[in-house]
Amino acid sequence: QQQVKQSPQSLIVQKGGISIINCAYENTAFDYFPWYQQFPGKGPALLIAIRPDVSEKKEGRFTISFNKSAKQFSLHIMDSQPGDSATYFCAANPSSNDYKLSFGAGTTVTVRA
Amino acid sequence: DTGVSQNPRHKITKRGQNVTFRCDPISEHNRLYWYRQTLGQGPEFLTYFQNEAQLEKSRLLSDRFSAERPKGSFSTLEIQRTEQGDSAMYLCASSSGQGWSYEQYFGPGTRLTVT
Repeated sequence: QQQVKQSPQSLIVQKGGISIINCAYENTAFDYFPWYQQFPGKGPALLIAIRPDVSEKKEGRFTISFNKSAKQFSLHIMDSQPGDSATYFCAANPSSNDYKLSFGAGTTVTVRA
Repeated sequence: DTGVSQNPRHKITKRGQNVTFRCDPISEHNRLYWYRQTLGQGPEFLTYFQNEAQLEKSRLLSDRFSAERPKGSFSTLEIQRTEQGDSAMYLCASSSGQGWSYEQYFGPGTRLTVT
């Protein structure tokens, strides 16, 4: 069973708009939450990551929001560009087993010009 | 700085044949991971090495699968007697043991097709 549930499965956004992807988890031992971006035929590329000691982290146009009490975290892509069209995966792992990332099922983002 | 490399990038094989994939991690990364990704899904953890020691194997890794990292550098993943259900993208990742040791960097993957 998937330990990280991701939604939506896909989304379409206009250029310049905001893309929002949500993830939820149950395992309270998780304490590292990365997001990966994957283009067709390529491996996942680390985009941004957060630890639960902060509620938000921003890098350029990408922001992670983290809600520890709700066990939810989300990725916001501001000013979406056609080059952002890709599949995005959230993931999580606990510090006690820092080798094993549990991934969500992915969200395919399409940015229309 | 070269990233994680994997060879071959694509492999087509007939059911029942053995295949071997290679992964070269980022230099000086002492941790190496193998994942499998099927179409429309996120990667699933298979196994993990710290230096040359294999420390964890997923239940997904049947006895037809074997992975090695003999000198703590590159790693190989072998699948014996391949089945059609083995068709997937096999991803390798590496990470250092410093700082945020959780940061895993992925290679481009090897796409396996079993006919």
